[in-house]
Amino acid sequence: AQSVAQPEDQVNVAEGNPLTVKCTYSVSGNPYLFWYVQYPNRGLQFLLKYITGDNLVKGSYGFEAEFNKSQTSFHLKKPSALVSDSALYFCAVRAPYGNNRLAFGKGNQVVVIP
Amino acid sequence: GAVVSQHPSWVICKSGTSVKIECRSLDFQATTMFWYRQFPKQSLMLMATSNEGSKATYEQGVEKDKFLINHASLTLSTLTVTSAHPEDSSFYICSAPTGGARYSTDTQYFGPGTRLTVL
Repeated sequence: AQSVAQPEDQVNVAEGNPLTVKCTYSVSGNPYLFWYVQYPNRGLQFLLKYITGDNLVKGSYGFEAEFNKSQTSFHLKKPSALVSDSALYFCAVRAPYGNNRLAFGKGNQVVVIP
Repeated sequence: GAVVSQHPSWVICKSGTSVKIECRSLDFQATTMFWYRQFPKQSLMLMATSNEGSKATYEQGVEKDKFLINHASLTLSTLTVTSAHPEDSSFYICSAPTGGARYSTDTQYFGPGTRLTVL
């Protein structure tokens, strides 16, 4: 079964500094990878996904993620963090076959310090 | 992106009552929807897969008779928490993949969630 690891509980970053949220995955076959963001008491908002092609994926709000097959990673990045980026970030993976379920990581709380 | 709505956004009920939560896909048809439960500062736990016109598929450990799911149309799925108790208090979120989950590449779009508090 597919799984995702987000090793850090919380990521603190100063406003204007680069932001990185780490994600590693485990799946049989080629992975389909997703990043979502959740603000307090809200549902998840889709940021970006990797299906195939270019390893660097660009998404909403200036976020991007890099797929690294050899390291089984899909880290989320933003060159310059904003205070409004403070939220809970989830990485998710889906296998290319089967029941189309998403397996989520535990989530990372990002705190951008003004 | 596609829009998924949920209603109500929050509900408070007495123990023993039943609560219905609606999930709608507003600008696309969703033959499949997913229902999740989320505890504070934790990840999402998949409860069940809702299939239009057929029975829902429940995850292991989820009580079918307690969490009734009805997917009556291509844009609406409902979750009914029957005889709710305080331990059912949680944040319930639905999602729907565009393309009806026929393809693993489909993006799942999430509703805003429903906060259930059982007194």
